[in-house]
Amino acid sequence: QVDLQESGPGLVKPSETLTLICTVSGVSIGSYYWAWIRQPPGKGLEWIGVIYLDGSTNYNPSLKSRAAISVDTSKSQLSLRLNSVTPAETAVYYCARWLPNRFDSWGQGTLVSVSS
Amino acid sequence: SHVLTQPPSVSVAPGQTATITCGEDNIGSRSVNWYQQKAGQAPVVAVDEDDDRPSGIFERFSGSKSGNTATLTIRRVEAGDEADYYCQVWDSRTDHVVFGGGTKLTVL
Repeated sequence: QVDLQESGPGLVKPSETLTLICTVSGVSIGSYYWAWIRQPPGKGLEWIGVIYLDGSTNYNPSLKSRAAISVDTSKSQLSLRLNSVTPAETAVYYCARWLPNRFDSWGQGTLVSVSS
Repeated sequence: SHVLTQPPSVSVAPGQTATITCGEDNIGSRSVNWYQQKAGQAPVVAVDEDDDRPSGIFERFSGSKSGNTATLTIRRVEAGDEADYYCQVWDSRTDHVVFGGGTKLTVL
């Protein structure tokens, strides 16, 4: 049974960098693909990106190279860095396991507000 | 790029059948997954690309595709089915993932 738990600051200032951690338990993090998805309040889901077994990544082109996903296998943690954030990026951020081609396990999500 | 079009809302009476559509050019040739998201919760897979239901709680749910439309069908709708539903496709050429805009299912 895979369990994912997101953590990070609930508030980030505009133009700064958002950093989130997802702690994975129940499975070997190095054996699967992982992803981040976000959902602005009252709106739909948006795929942010994915990290593969070899550490390579793939991102939503709309993020214009501002996102970076990494895995620390020693800590069983997945991370997301998103720089130069704007208030429009206020959202619930989810980490999820990616089984090409679907997300089969999700964290409970963490709300990040972008505001001065 | 992909644009998956879903109706914003669908309403149905208990015991009836609900259909939620997801439109895109040639979606019939793609793998489509459907997620259910209840208020305040993370999404869960309701029906996957192979029309499998990962959980028995979705036994009344089924997926189909034809031409430019994928459809999620929910038979004998119950009050507990009230939720937002999202379709999702994966582009194997670019490895990009796209979600539909979501459909709010209301049980009257």
